[in-house]
Amino acid sequence: GQQLNQSPQSMFIQEGEDVSMNCTSSSIFNTWLWYKQDPGEGPVLLIALYKAGELTSNGRLTAQFGITRKDSFLNISASIPSDVGIYFCAGQQARETSGSRLTFGEGTQLTVNP
Amino acid sequence: NAGVTQTPKFRVLKTGQSMTLLCAQDMNHEYMYWYRQDPGMGLRLIHYSVGEGTTAKGEVPDGYNVSRLKKQNFLLGLESAAPSQTSVYFCASSYSIHSGGLYEQYFGPGTRLTVT
Repeated sequence: GQQLNQSPQSMFIQEGEDVSMNCTSSSIFNTWLWYKQDPGEGPVLLIALYKAGELTSNGRLTAQFGITRKDSFLNISASIPSDVGIYFCAGQQARETSGSRLTFGEGTQLTVNP
Repeated sequence: NAGVTQTPKFRVLKTGQSMTLLCAQDMNHEYMYWYRQDPGMGLRLIHYSVGEGTTAKGEVPDGYNVSRLKKQNFLLGLESAAPSQTSVYFCASSYSIHSGGLYEQYFGPGTRLTVT
């Protein structure tokens, strides 16, 4: 199965800084989802995007569904130590015919220094 | 609601042993999934189910079997464990697209499996 290209692989930032990460693909997607995974836990859904061009916020998080439907980005503003974790993008491909199968990016490991 | 639960949380197997991982969800979701997570490789779909009594292969199905006898439960079996199956296994569930749910999957806490 196709993996999404997620970047960067890791980020080391200072508390209070803004963060941006993105996912790209050569295929068109109908849906983009962003998840966060804390150490030893399962991924937790942060934001879901359903329309090309859609910009959605959830507190300090903002995500956008790219106009071309082949990319998405996630921004975190004013980072805090509890933002530490792995962030995954996931998408449902337009050509996917079997239910709600998702394709996942490889994750961005975020470290926030106090 | 407990959401998605998985048992056991940890397990160590010897090569050739068998085991079953149990996933349960109390959200009345139609769809359920099993993933494995390995360092640097994200989440890869093993098998999934779109309803009670139905299963289908995902991206990496070899060496695994599944069963969905009840809507709320999805079992993942390893008949003869191999070291390559050392991984963290996650179960997820979602509503079907036909019942108005879109593609949001909800994950369990994971099972860490080591095969020696």
